[in-house]
Amino acid sequence: DQQVKQNSPSLSVQEGRISILNCDYTNSMFDYFLWYKKYPAEGPTFLISISSIKDKNEDGRFTVFLNKSAKHLSLHIVPSQPGDSAVYFCAASSNTNAGKSTFGDGTTLTVKP
Amino acid sequence: DAGVIQSPRHEVTEMGQEVTLRCKPISGHDYLFWYRQTMMRGLELLIYFNNNVPIDDSGMPEDRFSAKMPNASFSTLKIQPSEPRDSAVYFCASSFSGVYGYTFGSGTRLTVV
Repeated sequence: DQQVKQNSPSLSVQEGRISILNCDYTNSMFDYFLWYKKYPAEGPTFLISISSIKDKNEDGRFTVFLNKSAKHLSLHIVPSQPGDSAVYFCAASSNTNAGKSTFGDGTTLTVKP
Repeated sequence: DAGVIQSPRHEVTEMGQEVTLRCKPISGHDYLFWYRQTMMRGLELLIYFNNNVPIDDSGMPEDRFSAKMPNASFSTLKIQPSEPRDSAVYFCASSFSGVYGYTFGSGTRLTVV
């Protein structure tokens, strides 16, 4: 039972364009969502998060959108840069199980110059 | 702060041997997590601690795996005896309060031959 799903294993976009990474979840108890970025041979690094009381959070080129009714969130990167090429993980947690995040399988983003 | 420090970075061992992975979390963080990443299962949570106390070890694959956190600045993950299917990258992460973003270490790549 995979509670956090990233259905696209990979995504390729041109430099300067928008990258949209998607994530779906099934557990309605999740109330905090995070995105991590991972380069090869390194651990994931926290990128941006959103609480369930919001539907949008923005940090520079990165924006996360949350649609609670659809149990869907997305990460938008605008404009995309070659240095954004990495694996992106979506994660979710709930206050009832504070401390424990459930991760998706990741999406490999390639930004072509 | 040097971040979450894991050692060793790489470990190659023979089947049946004991393996010990080590982690130093960020000072002041009260949550510590052990994850395993494989191609087949993605990023899976093995166990996590809150204030040095194990909270959830339901992800530990079997009795061959054990984890300890004797103090706030050190944790170990031990596999005894090791098997080839244990080959993976093992990540340690720490967090303040648990809900917010984790800081991951660089991981230990374990190969059991």
